[in-house]
Amino acid sequence: AQKVTQAQTEISVVEKEDVTLDCVYETRDTTYYLFWYKQPPSGELVFLIRRNSFDEQNEISGRYSWNFQKSTSSFNFTITASQVVDSAVYFCALSPLPGTYKYIFGTGTRLKVLA
Amino acid sequence: DTEVTQTPKHLVMGMTNKKSLKCEQHMGHRAMYWYKQKAKKPPELMFVYSYEKLSINESVPSRFSPECPNSSLLNLHLHALQPEDSALYLCASSQKSELLAGFLDTQYFGPGTRLTVL
Repeated sequence: AQKVTQAQTEISVVEKEDVTLDCVYETRDTTYYLFWYKQPPSGELVFLIRRNSFDEQNEISGRYSWNFQKSTSSFNFTITASQVVDSAVYFCALSPLPGTYKYIFGTGTRLKVLA
Repeated sequence: DTEVTQTPKHLVMGMTNKKSLKCEQHMGHRAMYWYKQKAKKPPELMFVYSYEKLSINESVPSRFSPECPNSSLLNLHLHALQPEDSALYLCASSQKSELLAGFLDTQYFGPGTRLTVL
């Protein structure tokens, strides 16, 4: 079975705090992709990152960083020095390879950054 | 340019109306998707088009009728909807890999159409 768990339903932080959003996945496939998307109140899902199962290097993009650990089947997302504009719902998703169309989404984590 | 556009942004319709949602992308992607998203839930896949042909229908009721007139355009025709069909309808697109004979990973989403059925 394939599954993505985002156990944190909602997180509230004060601006400038760091925050980590957790994502745990289950799959028997050895080859797969993991994604994070941001959905602000406007509704659009904004692509943030894709990571394939063979690349466990952590990634940093500005204030965003991602920690991928196959040993614990986790793909966590950290926002450093959060800002009000980071307020959104964040979805983690799993896509098995090759050539599949299907995303398995987690239930999402709503992040509220308070000024 | 990773832009997918959708019109209209908002739509209110009665249960006897016929309306259409439109989606457009100019990224050269050959796979296009319709998703339905209810409040506080993740998106649920409805349809997938590959090279303008319907390849996946996730058991969607026939009151939803997709159409892909060309490689850049995707429509969703709505007829005799129910109030429970009220949701955010998202369109997405992705590349198609000749090498893998399948879909390439990253889906790019449009801003969605918020549909209310009265």
